[in-house]
Amino acid sequence: ETGVTQTPRHLVMGMTNKKSLKCEQHLGHNAMYWYKQSAKKPLELMFVYNFKEQTENNSVPSRFSPECPNSSHLFLHLHTLQPEDSALYLCASSHGIIGGPTDTQYFGPGTRLTVL
Amino acid sequence: TQLLEQSPQFLSIQEGENLTVYCNSSSVFSSLQWYRQEPGEGPVLLVTVVTGGEVKKLKRLTFQFGDARKDSSLHITAAQPGDTGLYLCAGARETSGSRLTFGEGTQLTVNP
Repeated sequence: ETGVTQTPRHLVMGMTNKKSLKCEQHLGHNAMYWYKQSAKKPLELMFVYNFKEQTENNSVPSRFSPECPNSSHLFLHLHTLQPEDSALYLCASSHGIIGGPTDTQYFGPGTRLTVL
Repeated sequence: TQLLEQSPQFLSIQEGENLTVYCNSSSVFSSLQWYRQEPGEGPVLLVTVVTGGEVKKLKRLTFQFGDARKDSSLHITAAQPGDTGLYLCAGARETSGSRLTFGEGTQLTVNP
């Protein structure tokens, strides 16, 4: 049990659908992250939020839209996705910038997304 | 450009054997973390190493950070089927704050 939960665990959607992924952390952390994990590729950082402010957008297409209403919740809104967007989407949290280079990230179980 | 190279990518061994997984880079990292990920789950942190030359042990797992802080290794002694999983190394740099650079991972299968 990592203290980071993600819903749904599995999602199948068509290219014209709109859906949202949810992440919640119960660790009192201030930073939250979205990663994309595809087969045979390293984890790709998508977005970083620190104290609810977006501090990094790693050249992610606009069909992915993050939202961080508070330090405990993070959403990823999806619309008009492509089949190549199918992947495992992982959320993580950490203490935040105060933690420095050894700031440990704790991951959720991920959402397995399939785009038809 | 792949900043962290892990080798081997796949490893299938018998229970009781020893193995070593490598994580190499031409870049210097302020710290390096090792994670294990099981199917359908997110990565779980095993260890963080921060000092060049540092060695950390976690039961049958031994982690080493290179003297120059560019590489790391994970050695497992007497592997067990429960060690099966994807092992990921991730490096942090002082200029990148909390951002981690991940390797592609090593898929380990330990057969009973």
